[in-house]
Amino acid sequence: KAGVTQTPRYLIKTRGQQVTLSCSPISGHRSVSWYQQTPGQGLQFLFEYFSETQRNKGNFPGRFSGRQFSNSRSEMNVSTLELGDSALYLCASSSSTGGAGGYTFGSGTRLTVV
Amino acid sequence: AQKITQTQPGMFVQEKEAVTLDCTYDTSDPSYGLFWYKQPSSGEMIFLIYQGSYDQQNATEGRYSLNFQKARKSANLVISASQLGDSAMYFCAMREVASNDYKLSFGAGTTVTVRA
Repeated sequence: KAGVTQTPRYLIKTRGQQVTLSCSPISGHRSVSWYQQTPGQGLQFLFEYFSETQRNKGNFPGRFSGRQFSNSRSEMNVSTLELGDSALYLCASSSSTGGAGGYTFGSGTRLTVV
Repeated sequence: AQKITQTQPGMFVQEKEAVTLDCTYDTSDPSYGLFWYKQPSSGEMIFLIYQGSYDQQNATEGRYSLNFQKARKSANLVISASQLGDSAMYFCAMREVASNDYKLSFGAGTTVTVRA
């Protein structure tokens, strides 16, 4: 079966711009979560969606937002980009409980802010 | 407080040898899951193995095994018969079930380099 698809793979944006990243989960998975990975902070949780509802949000400023569509695809948006937003953004999907079935990650979107 | 601690920033291992990656965790939740992921330079996080807090047996998946010591809050990953393709970053992660926060907490990771 198809894995988790994240688009685009690479992005270069200018400070102050906004960006939208997309994540298509594994078919049948209704939970999508987002993580930011930087060399300094490691992997940090951004938010999680299940059936179009945000169930949890990490400690990020309001410039970071997301949504989930009825087909479980998810998007995250970052407005007013800052240099510190340069990171690998990873999306993970899971069936619901995220137990033994695990979380399946996509290949990530590497965002560079210049 | 750090929930997942990986104390080995980097390790070198000879091809065909076994390597143990350390992971300790901190939680008061009686129900939790522990995960190990491999991240090659391409960036994708590849799921390796899972251990539930109530599982009686240590988890194994092919060349990967998890040495789960609940009382010590330790969940070390053992990779047997290392291969060159095992060179990557390895992350230990935990999900706490009772908190219902639906997220994974990750450690800082361990870089493994396999030498021929």
